[in-house]
Amino acid sequence: EDQVTQSPEALRLQEGESSSLNCSYTVSGLRGLFWYRQDPGKGPEFLFTLYSAGEEKEKERLKATLTKKESFLHITAPKPEDSATYLCAVADYGQNFVFGPGTRLSVLP
Amino acid sequence: GAVVSQHPSWVICKSGTSVKIECRSLDFQATTMFWYRQFPKQSLMLMATSNEGSKATYEQGVEKDKFLINHASLTLSTLTVTSAHPEDSSFYICSALGTGPGNTIYFGEGSWLTVV
Repeated sequence: EDQVTQSPEALRLQEGESSSLNCSYTVSGLRGLFWYRQDPGKGPEFLFTLYSAGEEKEKERLKATLTKKESFLHITAPKPEDSATYLCAVADYGQNFVFGPGTRLSVLP
Repeated sequence: GAVVSQHPSWVICKSGTSVKIECRSLDFQATTMFWYRQFPKQSLMLMATSNEGSKATYEQGVEKDKFLINHASLTLSTLTVTSAHPEDSSFYICSALGTGPGNTIYFGEGSWLTVV
């Protein structure tokens, strides 16, 4: 059974303080690993898809990396507007999608 | 990018009435759509998976007769909460599985349901 865990559960950063969020997974056959951002009261917003170990993708202050067991979402010099819950999900070849519980990020000015 | 539209964004209904929420994929065809429920500060809870033209697959503990899902076309799925009660008040989110090499899930903006 596919499983996804995320750590930490919550993270508080000062503006400009870089850090990383972790997504650990077990999956029968990884078709893709997805990162989403969710603001309170809104649906998740797609950020990245990673398909194979060693792959990296960047978007503004965010960079996602992937290994065979985990993915990291690196946040460089975060700003208060980066505050949100970040969700990780994996998809297998059976079209099953499993979401992690998310990491609540707060960036203080 | 792919867009999923959900309507209404929020709805208030009286206890005992039924409410329908629509989920549309605006610029792509979605053979598979998902419905989630989310409580404040909690993660997404998958309720059901719907495939176009066939019956939805419900997660364990989700009442099929209470949460009716219809996926009649490749761009529209509906969730009807029947005989709603205050405990059904929640944030409901749909998502659609895109086609093509990416096969990414795209989410709607969510619908707030309040049952009074």
